[in-house]
Formats: sequence, structure tokens, C-alpha cells
Amino acid sequence: KAGVTQTPRYLIKTRGQQVTLSCSPISGHRSVSWYQQTPGQGLQFLFEYFSETQRNKGNFPGRFSGRQFSNSRSEMNVSTLELGDSALYLCASSPTDRVGVNEQFFGPGTRLTVL
Amino acid sequence: AQSVTQLGSHVSVSEGALVLLRCNYSSSVPPYLFWYVQYPNQGLQLLLKYTSAATLVKGINGFEAEFKKSETSFHLTKPSAHMSDAAEYFCAVSDRAYNTDKLIFGTGTRLQVFP
Repeated sequence: KAGVTQTPRYLIKTRGQQVTLSCSPISGHRSVSWYQQTPGQGLQFLFEYFSETQRNKGNFPGRFSGRQFSNSRSEMNVSTLELGDSALYLCASSPTDRVGVNEQFFGPGTRLTVL
Repeated sequence: AQSVTQLGSHVSVSEGALVLLRCNYSSSVPPYLFWYVQYPNQGLQLLLKYTSAATLVKGINGFEAEFKKSETSFHLTKPSAHMSDAAEYFCAVSDRAYNTDKLIFGTGTRLQVFP
């Protein structure tokens, strides 16, 4: 099976712009989560989607949003970019047989740099 | 609320030496615990997980971890380090909230292996 794919791998944007990141989960996985990784804050949970519904949300401002499509692919959007949004954004998918104990399979991430 | 603490942001060992990476958890319910590894410019890969079955958990690449409730610990060990083990290691606990796969990560431990 192909792993989790994320596009693009690298992005450079300027302050005030918006950005959309894409994630394709492993075939058959219906749960997709997003995490932000920075040197200062570490790995922080952004949100989780299951069957096109947001199932859980982290403590991020409303500029961060996401969605999931019927084929389980997910996108996240960040509007009005700030310098502090520079980070590695990781997407993870998981099977749904036992929520909470599932292994999350991570993609390689999208490295976002805000200038 | 669940949390994990990783003692030591950097650990250095010689090739062939014992690897010990420390993780302590805080949880109001029986925890589900995970160790992930991250190689440079890659996503996270699961090493092993504890989900209330055997307290000694064996993972990939020769790693294992022991769940000790009395010490609220889930330390990661490997008897003999290899150069290829150099990476960042993250301990994580499942949120255990209803119907979520959300993971709460520790701050990570960077492992260096010297020849």
C-alpha cells in the first residue's frame, strides 16, 4: 500500500498570504489528523477528520481550518499567514477499528516558510 | 488531562552501547502509549505501542519499552546502538477522549550515536 502523501513538500509564502496543504491518506483509512511541528512548541495537534466531519480540534486560532473530502483526502488552510506559522505540517491517517489505540501513519510533511 | 514528559532533549551513546530514552506519563485513565521515531526530513514512524496488554512491548529495529504503572514510566531501550539509530524520538499518549485518535506528544529526545 502506498503511504500517506502530502503536497507540496516545501512552500515559501509571505506574511498575509494564505496557503492550502493537501494530504492523501493510506487507502482505506478514513481518519486524518494534522499536526504542526516547530522547534519551540514541538508537535501540536491541529485537527482530526473522520468521514468528512471534524472530530476533534486543537487550540489554534480560526485562521487554521481544514476539511475532508468523500475520498478521505484532506486539506488544511491557513489564512493571513504570520511568521510564527513557519513549521513542518504533518498529516497522519489511521484505521478506524479501535479509536484511540490505532497507529497513526504519518506523511513526510509540508515544510512551510513564511517570510 | 493526559501528558508525557521526556527527560533529556539530547542523548549521546557509542555504537554498541545501551540506548535508554526516558518517558513519564500523566493520565487520569489507563493510558495508551506510543514511541515514534523521526529521521531528518521525514515524518514519524511508529516504533511500538502499549495498549494495556503485555507490559513489555517489543517494537521494530530491536527497540522495546516497559510500561511501569508504579513509576508512571514507559522508557524506550535498545541493547546495542547502531549508527542508523541516530534520529529524534517522541513518546506520545493517546488522548483517550471519546472517539478520537489524537496523540499528545512529548518534546522529543535527539539520539546521537558515535562510532
